[in-house]
Amino acid sequence: QSALTQPASVSGSPGQSITISCTGTSSDVGGYNYVSWYQHHPDKAPKLMIYEVSNRPSGVSNRFSGSKSGNTASLTISGLQAEDEADYYCSSYTSSNTYWVFGGGTKLTVL
Amino acid sequence: EVQLLESGGGLVQPGGSLRLSCAASGFTFSSYAMSWVRQAPGKGLEWGSAISGSGDDTYHADSVKGRFTISRDNSKNTLYLQMNSLKAEDTAVYYCAKHPRSRWSSYWYFDLWGRGTLVTVSS
Repeated sequence: QSALTQPASVSGSPGQSITISCTGTSSDVGGYNYVSWYQHHPDKAPKLMIYEVSNRPSGVSNRFSGSKSGNTASLTISGLQAEDEADYYCSSYTSSNTYWVFGGGTKLTVL
Repeated sequence: EVQLLESGGGLVQPGGSLRLSCAASGFTFSSYAMSWVRQAPGKGLEWGSAISGSGDDTYHADSVKGRFTISRDNSKNTLYLQMNSLKAEDTAVYYCAKHPRSRWSSYWYFDLWGRGTLVTVSS
């Protein structure tokens, strides 16, 4: 069982917006602004999409945005495109001796 | 091109050993901390080990502490993971991942990943 909780799957039609949630505790997501999100297409390298809750690395589309409220972080993808179909993982710093914790991943299907 | 390329995975018996490598290119390898992150079949990601850019500081998760050792050769732009006393639960795809600074503190994310190498522990 992963430390952070994500929905197993979400789906949306092209052009729509979807939101993926990531729920932790006050020891990780809720206690620090160190949430990051990764996109993973099968057999490819995972890609950083959001860091420190809401920052986008250079080159990442502004259709991707991140936010946090309490112990839950969210990744929103607007204007869904077929290429967005992938697995998405959240991660957070944790005050435990593990330092980094991840969610179980969410499979995004673009209908 | 900026990239990480893992190698060394394969099938190994329980109790056996394996050494993974991660070849870095396109950036100044010694300037960045590195980690190994794994994903067991059907499971989420799990961080395992980290090493500072100079190699003078390492950190392992409790699940691998005492069995796995992370190291690096900055002259070869290569990261390693020596895995000993392997267990069935170590079966996973192992990814190397780059940190944005030479030390991981205050920068708790990974800005570049490799494609991974599969390790299967089975008799």
